[in-house]
Amino acid sequence: ETGVTQTPRHLVMGMTNKKSLKCEQHLGHNAMYWYKQSAKKPLELMFVYSLEERVENNSVPSRFSPECPNSSHLFLHLHTLQPEDSALYLCASSQTRGEAGGPYEQYFGPGTRLTVT
Amino acid sequence: AQSVSQHNHHVILSEAASLELGCNYSYGGTVNLFWYVQYPGQHLQLLLKYFSGDPLVKGIKGFEAEFIKSKFSFNLRKPSVQWSDTAEYFCAVSPNTGGFKTIFGAGTRLFVKA
Repeated sequence: ETGVTQTPRHLVMGMTNKKSLKCEQHLGHNAMYWYKQSAKKPLELMFVYSLEERVENNSVPSRFSPECPNSSHLFLHLHTLQPEDSALYLCASSQTRGEAGGPYEQYFGPGTRLTVT
Repeated sequence: AQSVSQHNHHVILSEAASLELGCNYSYGGTVNLFWYVQYPGQHLQLLLKYFSGDPLVKGIKGFEAEFIKSKFSFNLRKPSVQWSDTAEYFCAVSPNTGGFKTIFGAGTRLFVKA
């Protein structure tokens, strides 16, 4: 248990559905991330929120819409997805970087296995 | 573009064998370096990290990694693997620019035969 939870763990949805993925962290971190993990490909960073502001958006299609209502919760709203969007979606959190710099290791949730039919 | 390359996608070893997993990155500036591990059915978790100082970094469970700046490498090593080391290992690089981007390699699946 890493202190980052994700629901649901598995999701099957049609291309016309709308669904949301939820992530919650109990670590007191200020930054939260969404990653996409596809088979045999590197983790792809999708979005980063720091202090509830979006600070990274890596050219993700608009059918993925993130929401960060507070520093403990992160959502990924899904609509009109494509079959190629089927993947494991990972949420992570970390401390924001202080003035002294240094690495900010991320703590990952278990992921949501998404299948788009 | 920044990238991280892990040389082996699959590695099979017998228990007590030595392990070295290669990781190279492409970025000319200062970086922070990580190895993460994902055991079967478990979360990705940090194995070790480097941000400055001694380029030989020790992590959990007897793992270590050496940062060789001239080679843009951060290889992971363990002198004697155990069956419980069976997992997928990910190298990751974070440019030390004050941002939040972390670039991951594609991962190496290690299977240790008992």
